[in-house]
Amino acid sequence: QVHLQESGPGLVKPSETLSLTCTVSGGSISRDYWSWIRQSPEKGLEWIGYVYYTGSTTYNPSLKSRVTISVDTAKNHFSLNLTSVTAADTAVYYCARHFMAAFDYWGQGIHVTVSS
Amino acid sequence: EIVMTQSPATLSGSPGERATLSCRASQNIRNSLAWYQQKPGQAPRLLIYAASTRATGVPARFSGSGSGTEFTLTISSLQSEDFAVYYCQQSTNWPRTFGQGTKLEIK
Repeated sequence: QVHLQESGPGLVKPSETLSLTCTVSGGSISRDYWSWIRQSPEKGLEWIGYVYYTGSTTYNPSLKSRVTISVDTAKNHFSLNLTSVTAADTAVYYCARHFMAAFDYWGQGIHVTVSS
Repeated sequence: EIVMTQSPATLSGSPGERATLSCRASQNIRNSLAWYQQKPGQAPRLLIYAASTRATGVPARFSGSGSGTEFTLTISSLQSEDFAVYYCQQSTNWPRTFGQGTKLEIK
C-alpha cells in the first residue's frame, strides 16, 4: 500500500518561499507521476504541478512563474517550492500519485498559512 | 483551461435513497473524468476514473456515467458514510481542473 506524507513549515511569511516535501513509502517513486494539489475555501481544489521520476515537470500556468517541483529518487521523495507567497497561497497542500489520469493516493495534507 | 461546473451545490438525501450528482465540462473531455469523495479533515478519495470505472475498493452502489461535456455520479442507495463532499476532475488537458464540489448532506 502506497503512503504519502507531506512535511514542512505550517507558517510562512509573505514574500518568502514555501517549501514542502512529500515522502513516498510502500512503493518506489521511480515509476509514476507525482503531483502537488492545494485546497482553499476561495479557490477549491487547485492542481499545482507534477514531476516524473526522471525530473520532467509540468506546472499550472497560473503558478508557473513561482513554482518548482523536484524529485529525489534516492530519498523516495519529491518537493515543492513556491516563491513570493502571499495570503492567497494559504491552503491545505496535498501530494498525490497519478493513476489512469486521476489521483489515487493522496497524502493527509498539510495546512500552510501565509502570515507575518 | 477547462472549467468544471457541478450541480447542485448542496444535495439533501436520506439513507436508502438514490442520489444523482452532475458535472459539466466547458469543452469536450471525452470520458476523461474522475470523481472524488472528501470527508472533513481528510484528503479526497478517488471513486471513479475514466468516467465510469470504479477505483479499487469502491462499493458497487457508486456508478459514473457520461461523456463529452455531461457527467453523472449516482449513488444507488445512500449509506450514512456517503454524506460528504464530491468533486469531479477532468483529465484531458493540463492544467487538471476540479469542480467546486457538491455537498451531500443528510435530510
